[in-house]
Amino acid sequence: QLQLQESGPGLVKPSETLSLTCTVSGGSISSSSYYWGWIRQPPGKGLEWIGSIYYSGSTYYNPSLKSRVTISVDTSKNQFSLKLSSVTAADTAVYYCARHIPYSGSPHDAFDIWGQGTMVTVSS
Amino acid sequence: QSVLTQPPSVSGAPGQRVTISCTGSSSNIGAGYDVHWYQQLPGTAPKLLIYGNSNRPSGVPDRFSGSKSGTSASLAITGLQAEDEADYYCQSYDSSLSGSNVFGTGTKVTVL
Repeated sequence: QLQLQESGPGLVKPSETLSLTCTVSGGSISSSSYYWGWIRQPPGKGLEWIGSIYYSGSTYYNPSLKSRVTISVDTSKNQFSLKLSSVTAADTAVYYCARHIPYSGSPHDAFDIWGQGTMVTVSS
Repeated sequence: QSVLTQPPSVSGAPGQRVTISCTGSSSNIGAGYDVHWYQQLPGTAPKLLIYGNSNRPSGVPDRFSGSKSGTSASLAITGLQAEDEADYYCQSYDSSLSGSNVFGTGTKVTVL
């Protein structure tokens, strides 16, 4: 059974870079040509797509965050990662990693498997 | 703010049918992009309920159904149960401004 687990610092200082890793277990990140994504949810607010990556490394970012986001994949470690630079308090949120369901074979597909989420607070 | 608008809240008695709307525009739902629906219980990650407008993943009860028409989509819950009390989000793709996956504003379902 495929599982995803986010990891990384729970506290990041303003202007620094937020770095999170999603470890995939129970299956290979490069099997069946899946897309993988990051989504966040500020406390008490809705969901926001951050970006997605294909197992080969092609990336797709939310235009509103594109200048600050880098998503990468490490197939040897079965992980993909998120870096968000120049963070502010507005980046405080629960960050989720998730897998796109292989429905239409695009990064527009739904997310069918989610990690449990990790809370990241931006504060000095 | 999101380009997909949902009612903030809907409510119903156990056993009743409720619907949640997701209103978009010609650059997202109206352009033919698929709509997906999620259920989020308090303190947990979202769970996929409907993908590709009307398809249910394995394990999702058939009490949940999705539809799409024009620039809007809907999620229907029939035979409402106490365990259905949660937040619900729609998701689609918007082709304006370089394109982006977008989520709806979210709807809180309360079982009376």
